[in-house]
Amino acid sequence: EVQLVESGGVAVQPGGSLRLSCAASGFPFHDYDMHWVRQAPGKGLEWVSLISRDGFISYYADSVKGRFTISRDNSKSSLYLQMNSLTAEDTAFYYCAKDYYYGSGSLRYFDYWGQGTLVTVSS
Amino acid sequence: DIQMTQSPSSLSASVGDRVTITCRASQSISSHLNWYQQKPGKAPKVLIYATSSLQRGVPSRFSGSGSGTDFTLTINSLQPEDFATYYCQQTYITPYIFGQGTKLEIK
Repeated sequence: EVQLVESGGVAVQPGGSLRLSCAASGFPFHDYDMHWVRQAPGKGLEWVSLISRDGFISYYADSVKGRFTISRDNSKSSLYLQMNSLTAEDTAFYYCAKDYYYGSGSLRYFDYWGQGTLVTVSS
Repeated sequence: DIQMTQSPSSLSASVGDRVTITCRASQSISSHLNWYQQKPGKAPKVLIYATSSLQRGVPSRFSGSGSGTDFTLTINSLQPEDFATYYCQQTYITPYIFGQGTKLEIK
């Protein structure tokens, strides 16, 4: 059974830093790209970042570029999100999501999601 | 960035109804369009991927169609468990933008 368990969400002051973790199990972690998606309380979904299966390629939403860094440790089946220079606009539930990439047409979707971890940025 | 516009933003319907939610991309995304369902306090769950492919385990009353810039999610014969928020998402190119969501409520 695929499981994704996020951790690390806490309350932090503006300008602070935080590292989120996502522990994966039930599938060959090293074979799949992974994502972070966030959702401010009562709001919609916002894609945050993608990391390739080998960890060498990453992409970011403009809203977090230069402040957040996605990484992974395939030996530990773990995904991370280092978040720096946090602002109130970063307050959200943060989900890790497994990518499913298939077909010659480069189709992909997010087939498994964790339960989310809440980051609150407030003074 | 590609913008995704869903409509309506909210919808009231009754058990047994057929509902349609639309999603429009600001430029062509071919068939790179997915639909997710989210219930309160829960993570999203994929329903439809690549415009019209039903994810394993999802009831056949859910269907998707479209191509290019215009897409639809149709739910036939609404069931009580279908009342939730639905999101479209393009995965044609990063950033993988989601639509703003459609909240489906019981009439």
